Amino acid sequence: DTAVSQTPKYLVTQMGNDKSIKCEQNLGHDTMYWYKQDSKKFLKIMFSYNNKELIINETVPNRFSPKSPDKAHLNLHINSLELGDSAVYFCASTETSGSYNEQFFGPGTRLTVL
Amino acid sequence: GQNIDQPTEMTATEGAIVQINCTYQTSGFNGLFWYQQHAGEAPTFLSYNVLDGLEEKGRFSSFLSRSKGYSYLLLKELQMKDSASYLCAVPSGGYNKLIFGAGTRLAVHP
Repeated sequence: DTAVSQTPKYLVTQMGNDKSIKCEQNLGHDTMYWYKQDSKKFLKIMFSYNNKELIINETVPNRFSPKSPDKAHLNLHINSLELGDSAVYFCASTETSGSYNEQFFGPGTRLTVL
Repeated sequence: GQNIDQPTEMTATEGAIVQINCTYQTSGFNGLFWYQQHAGEAPTFLSYNVLDGLEEKGRFSSFLSRSKGYSYLLLKELQMKDSASYLCAVPSGGYNKLIFGAGTRLAVHP
């Protein structure tokens, strides 16, 4: 009964390719996030959706395009992959009604661009 | 803007106590989170402090001083499984957008 799941867990691809990562949460949360964790383990927010609406869009190249078909799913499509995109991408979710609540993270997708 | 500082690495002995510090500068304060991340795994929630003082939760406690922009995570009776990175994070703006520190990598030795 995984709370936040991501596919694939590992992704190895060539520079210039286009790839997608998928995320699903079964916690009934209204907000989902994409984070990037680089080789120095620094975890940085990229995007966030609240009830399918984009609410956070950090300074991320427009090669990255998130999409939320419903509030339980958040996908990330990356065009024209570059070496610097190699990282672990984490999906997370939370309920934003009321006070600040903990975020639940998925297992991560380790992307390696060759 | 936000700025969060944590020591990069710490080492400690099994059974001992270790304190991991975090200092922050924020425009507006909405609490502070601590997360634990084992190598190759996802971050998991440890604590959330919004008021000054110490909150104890089993072997782990978290302290906050809003006037000093300072927090620490206290781990008692250290176990080998406590070897992990500990991430300090503060909410920024709405929708629980978290700004994370670079994390403190703790190595527990026998």
